[in-house]
Amino acid sequence: GESVGLHLPTLSVQEGDNSIINCAYSNSASDYFIWYKQESGKGPQFIIDIRSNMDKRQGQRVTVLLNKTVKHLSLQIAATQPGDSAVYFCAENLSGNTPLVFGKGTRLSVIA
Amino acid sequence: GAVVSQHPSWVICKSGTSVKIECRSLDFQATTMFWYRQFPKQSLMLMATSNEGSKATYEQGVEKDKFLINHASLTLSTLTVTSAHPEDSSFYICSANRPGQGGEAFFGQGTRLTVV
Repeated sequence: GESVGLHLPTLSVQEGDNSIINCAYSNSASDYFIWYKQESGKGPQFIIDIRSNMDKRQGQRVTVLLNKTVKHLSLQIAATQPGDSAVYFCAENLSGNTPLVFGKGTRLSVIA
Repeated sequence: GAVVSQHPSWVICKSGTSVKIECRSLDFQATTMFWYRQFPKQSLMLMATSNEGSKATYEQGVEKDKFLINHASLTLSTLTVTSAHPEDSSFYICSANRPGQGGEAFFGQGTRLTVV
């Protein structure tokens, strides 16, 4: 089923530290997962994606880990910077031309 | 650059009036587009699926007569909020999946609707 919107949890990290944002997804049949960053008043911005046949994928300063056994997704941001402050959403997708189902989101605050 | 363009980015309207929001895919044809609504400090919730040349599919609890969707071409979907009320004030976002394997979703910039 769809994730229900709730008030956002907050993660505060010191500038330069690594951040880990977690997400539990809902549908074991989902085969495509995406992390988005959303700044205030803007639409979601693609960060990184991963398919269900992978456990880990790395980008520039970001890594996504997928644990299908427990339906868990995480986003790791290395050397967190003030510009990383935003709300981060995970999203899952079944396949093809279907809508994304978004997780509840986490607000990341970077302390300078 | 943006591959999905949404317009307007913000609008203020009076109660009882209607507001139209446009969503355009700029460099690919989208037979399907999706409309989401986001309330403050909450996640994006799917409202409806817009299908080119046919009726939109609405999620449970979304009034189809209030949120009119038209997908008249392969690059344009419109959402019209009819007889708007203050509780319709929200952030509306559209998305379209690029055709082909992977089908990465691209989002519009979003529209902040305030009904006064």
